[in-house]
Amino acid sequence: QLQLVESGGGVVRPGKSLRLSCAASGFTFSSYGMHWVRQTPGKGLEWVALVSYDGYNTYYADSVKGRFTISRDNSKNTLYLQMSSLKTEDTAVYYCARFYQLPLTNWFDPWGQGTLVTVSS
Amino acid sequence: DIQLTQSPSSLSASVGDKVTITCRAGQSISNFLNWYQQRPGKAPKLLIYAASTLQSGVSSRFSGSGSGTDFTLTISSLQPEDFATYYCQQSYSTLTWTFGQGTKVEIK
Repeated sequence: QLQLVESGGGVVRPGKSLRLSCAASGFTFSSYGMHWVRQTPGKGLEWVALVSYDGYNTYYADSVKGRFTISRDNSKNTLYLQMSSLKTEDTAVYYCARFYQLPLTNWFDPWGQGTLVTVSS
Repeated sequence: DIQLTQSPSSLSASVGDKVTITCRAGQSISNFLNWYQQRPGKAPKLLIYAASTLQSGVSSRFSGSGSGTDFTLTISSLQPEDFATYYCQQSYSTLTWTFGQGTKVEIK
């Protein structure tokens, strides 16, 4: 079945870096764009970044642009999020999700179970 | 960014009740509106895409309607497993996807 499993979350000090991973199975990973979405109690669900199916195109929310890097290794069926210069407001549960597109619509499905990132001194 | 406003923010209902949740967009988004369910401690799950198309495997007691700026998610007969938080999401403005703030459905 379709499955996405995130890892790499933890506690990190402000200004430091952390890399998240998302292992995919049950579908042809190299055929789909992939997203990172984060969730906080205060701001709810926030889209973070998208990488195209081949990894050549990347897009970011303004809140993380220049600090986060999304990438993928299609040979390993794995998505990554390199987070640098972390701020306390980056504290959240981070989800990866498959980007499903049709000609006139698109959606996120499935989602992983999430990994918690806590930025605190 | 396109703002989505859900109402109510929370509601209490009993098993068997009909429940309606509304999502209003800050500008017209045609039918580029998706609905997700999130149970406590779990990831969001797609219920409906393109405003009214039921995702494969999702119970037919869920339905969606609307176009332009006003959308509705309806649960025809609430079941115990439906107590969760529901989110709308716009896919009209790609590269700036946004979500509603959520509606928590609780047991009365």
